[in-house]
Amino acid sequence: DVKVTQSSRYLVKRTGEKVFLECVQDMDHENMFWYRQDPGLGLRLIYFSYDVKMKEKGDIPEGYSVSREKKERFSLILESASTNQTSMYLCASSPYPSTSGISETQYFGPGTRLLVL
Amino acid sequence: KNEVEQSPQNLTAQEGEFITINCSYSVGISALHWLQQHPGGGIVSLFMLSSGKKKHGRLIATINIQEKHSSLHITASHPRDSAVYICAVRKGEYGNKLVFGAGTILRVKS
Repeated sequence: DVKVTQSSRYLVKRTGEKVFLECVQDMDHENMFWYRQDPGLGLRLIYFSYDVKMKEKGDIPEGYSVSREKKERFSLILESASTNQTSMYLCASSPYPSTSGISETQYFGPGTRLLVL
Repeated sequence: KNEVEQSPQNLTAQEGEFITINCSYSVGISALHWLQQHPGGGIVSLFMLSSGKKKHGRLIATINIQEKHSSLHITASHPRDSAVYICAVRKGEYGNKLVFGAGTILRVKS
């Protein structure tokens, strides 16, 4: 079974702190994703990475950065946490689409609920 | 207007009822996913569809590409089906990114 793990289930930080959220997958997937989930808005893509050291902005990248130094690990960084970044953060991974172009399902981690005070 | 719309937003059913959750989208897609999220946050992929119909146990998912619409059906619903059900589409032909609906909160009462 594919396993995607996230470093914390719950996190409480203060405004202005630098926050690291870690995600690790064990299936050698090329693609990794960071989402945030807010009530009524669904999941929104923050950043994704399609290979080591490669990243692409999603729909809401402002206030976030990412790091992918190793294939299995994708980190989300809040440079200076703010109260509007209080949210549920979900990491996901997927293999690269097959040569037929058929898209692949994404496998999600358990989520990190972040509270910024 | 969101590219992916789900209805209803909230649904309460009695155990044993047949349940339908709808998803409409406004963009060209290569695939549509139905996901389930239980309290606590973990998301599980239920189905990935690009045409027709898929069935897994008591769950059935259908998609009509021409009408840009998909439905998720649950037969003989059970309290353990209580969860958020999320529709997501993969835009374009080879896209890696998903666009998500806001989710449908389902509560099945015993």
